[in-house]
Amino acid sequence: ETGVTQSPTHLIKTRGQQVTLRCSSQSGHNTVSWYQQALGQGPQFIFQYYREEENGRGNFPPRFSGLQFPNYSSELNVNALELDDSALYLCASSLDSGRADTQYFGPGTRLTVL
Amino acid sequence: SQQGEEDPQALSIQEGENATMNCSYKTSINNLQWYRQNSGRGLVHLILIRSNEREKHSGRLRVTLDTSKKSSSLLITASRAADTASYFCATAGRGANSKLTFGKGITLSVRP
Repeated sequence: ETGVTQSPTHLIKTRGQQVTLRCSSQSGHNTVSWYQQALGQGPQFIFQYYREEENGRGNFPPRFSGLQFPNYSSELNVNALELDDSALYLCASSLDSGRADTQYFGPGTRLTVL
Repeated sequence: SQQGEEDPQALSIQEGENATMNCSYKTSINNLQWYRQNSGRGLVHLILIRSNEREKHSGRLRVTLDTSKKSSSLLITASRAADTASYFCATAGRGANSKLTFGKGITLSVRP
């Protein structure tokens, strides 16, 4: 167990809806990264938050947004859901963004968009 | 886009045999990491090797890194059925954030 938790475990939404996924970091970690993993693919970097500020973003549209709270927990919000957003969403916490050290992953939230 | 390319895409071996998985990447890196994923769940960190290291061991795992060829290999010795999983290499770049760039993964099946 990594100490990183995510909720919910599974979620089913319809096209056009909005969704919020949550992540609780490992104790003492100030950096959280979000990844999208489509079926049969490797995880793709969405964005990273470091001390409540966005610190890098992958090739995802603005309808993917996030927040990091003072306790370093985090949210991923996706607006105007599309069928292709169906995927496993993973968050990972790490000690310090600049050190590029090990990231500790949560179990993921599986999102299905119908 | 995915930087790492793992090879082979799938590997099936008998319990007790060694499994070798390869990864190639395109740009300069800070470090390279290997992760394991069981049945579409979260990723488990296996080992990290920094760009100034050539070889690292952890239990039954041995990883090598050749920065001149931009490639890495992961060796699992004396494999067990419990090693059945997907394995990913991920590179951390030299930028301001520590984002990981993953390959598509290797499916390893270890037959009892």
